[in-house]
Amino acid sequence: NAGVTQTPKFRILKIGQSMTLQCTQDMNHNYMYWYRQDPGMGLKLIYYSVGAGITDKGEVPNGYNVSRSTTEDFPLRLELAAPSQTSVYFCASSYRTVTDTQYFGPGTRLTVL
Amino acid sequence: KNQVEQSPQSLIILEGKNCTLQCNYTVSPFSNLRWYKQDTGRGPVSLTIMTFSENTKSNGRYTATLDADTKQSSLHITASQLSDSASYICVVSESNYQLIWGAGTKLIIKP
Repeated sequence: NAGVTQTPKFRILKIGQSMTLQCTQDMNHNYMYWYRQDPGMGLKLIYYSVGAGITDKGEVPNGYNVSRSTTEDFPLRLELAAPSQTSVYFCASSYRTVTDTQYFGPGTRLTVL
Repeated sequence: KNQVEQSPQSLIILEGKNCTLQCNYTVSPFSNLRWYKQDTGRGPVSLTIMTFSENTKSNGRYTATLDADTKQSSLHITASQLSDSASYICVVSESNYQLIWGAGTKLIIKP
């Protein structure tokens, strides 16, 4: 049982480039989330999904897109990377609701130069 | 506005000592409150969850308290160990299924 896995662990992008952050969970959880964490700050929700085919915006969705074609996978797409998107990105999942325990992946450290 | 404020921002204590971290919230309507531990370079891990009717809950050397009247929670760590060095994050759930995350307290345990 791997839990929540994320790839890559680290990435450096140039301004204007695009990339996809991968997230997979093997716990058969319905809910999945993407957060970003800036240095010294709390987690901010980017997007979340309540099940395959259903996604919704969180607090800071601008500049990002998501899809949820399967229960297991929830990729995050960055289009036209900007320095303001330099952050650590965490994917998480929970069984039934937002208020259930969330299980987090190890994070992706992204730098945009 | 729903907010979660944690104090102190950072704390340094000697190994073996006790410490208490604070969380004040203005989230309404309240559903539950969790404490997460986040080791450096890792994702957060849930320590405890407290609902409206619970005053105290323990998880090993971690004891969380909740005062729903004053909207305050604390996390007490007993006999600290080097492995307790981490950020501790308070998260409050609103009844409408929104989570409000605190910025965390960074705890450093020195030998």
